[in-house]
Parts: sequence; C-alpha cells; structure tokens
Amino acid sequence: SAVISQKPSRDICQRGTSLTIQCQVDSQVTMMFWYRQQPGQSLTLIATANQGSEATYESGFVIDKFPISRPNLTFSTLTVSNMSPEDSSIYLCSVGTENYGYTFGSGTRLTVV
Amino acid sequence: GENVEQHPSTLSVQEGDSAVIKCTYSDSASNYFPWYKQELGKGPQLIIDIRSNVGEKKDQRIAVTLNKTAKHFSLHITETQPEDSAVYFCAAKGAGSYQLTFGKGTKLSVIP
Repeated sequence: SAVISQKPSRDICQRGTSLTIQCQVDSQVTMMFWYRQQPGQSLTLIATANQGSEATYESGFVIDKFPISRPNLTFSTLTVSNMSPEDSSIYLCSVGTENYGYTFGSGTRLTVV
Repeated sequence: GENVEQHPSTLSVQEGDSAVIKCTYSDSASNYFPWYKQELGKGPQLIIDIRSNVGEKKDQRIAVTLNKTAKHFSLHITETQPEDSAVYFCAAKGAGSYQLTFGKGTKLSVIP
C-alpha cells in the first residue's frame, strides 16, 4: 500500500496566523483527500485534492479558509488560514488506490492559542 | 448522501474474549466497507475491508461480515489482547463515489 509522509506532525499556532500541512506519497495516486478530526470525534472530509485543478470542497468547508494545492500525483498541501481556537484538530491526508483501499497519514495535531 | 451508524460507542471486554462492533449504512449502492484502527496519537490504520460481492472476510483474529439486504456490516475480533485497545472506525463508499463516509467510532478497551 502507499506510504504517506505528513508534516508537521504537530504545531501550536497563534490565532490569526496560517499553517500549511504537507502530504507526500511514495507512489503516484489519483485520489487524495484531506480530513479533519476534532478531539474525540470521527473523521470529516474537508476536500478532494485534484491534480492540476481546483480542489472539490465538502459542505461547510471553503477554499478561502482551507486552500489546497496538488501540483502532481505524489504531493499535496492543505493550508489552514486565519486560524481560531475552533480550528484545533487533527488534520489527516489520505490516498485511495483501487487495490489497496484508502490509506491515511499519521496526521497533524494543530493547537491554536 | 451516505449515512453510517456505528455501535456501540464504547466496549470493554476481558482479554481473550471476543468483541463485535456493528455498523449500518443508508445507501444500498455502497460497495466498499473498510475498518480502521486508530491508536492514540496516530492516524487511522486499515485493518480489514470487504467489498459488496463478498459476505465475509477473515484475517487471523479479525473478521468482517456484510449483510447487503439489511445494510449492515460487523467487525469481529476474537481472542482479544490488550494491544487491540484502540478506537475503531467503520466506513462505507458509495458506488460511483470515491469518498468514504465514517461512523462515529468505537472505543475498545481490552482488560488484562
């Protein structure tokens, strides 16, 4: 299965600032996703990162708040913009392949103070 | 869209006993059902999955069953060990969709 490297693993940020999270995959994958997991909760899909085009956002998530880049089939970034304490969550990158299902990165634990 | 319900939210078992976690889904066209284990401070790890053309799948102590008519699927862990303690999530993928919809999770505690 695909191996995902996600950075940073954790960060503490001041409110009003932005953080960019990187997701690197060891093989080319068509499907790449970004999720949010609030403390003690399940996973909520933020958006599907599309290579070469704008990401597809789920209801409740907007590009101005969570801009996403996908320059190639092995890399994507998610930026959390103008952060507030409510953005404190785990952010997870995931990739999907036909044969190996959906794999997740180890996550980025974000605390906004 | 798809809706996945997961029960129970917490489960405590004695070491060596079996654990069963159940999920129901709403979209009868869903065709892929994975289960994930998430340990504290880590990302979800795929432990087993099943596709809609199969009724049961087993991997050592872990098995998943699927009842398409009733739209539910279950995770069975036999001979539980303390290292099985974690949060388990079920998910479903609709036909024609690339997205997973997750259940709310089950916190499993295996008591030595």
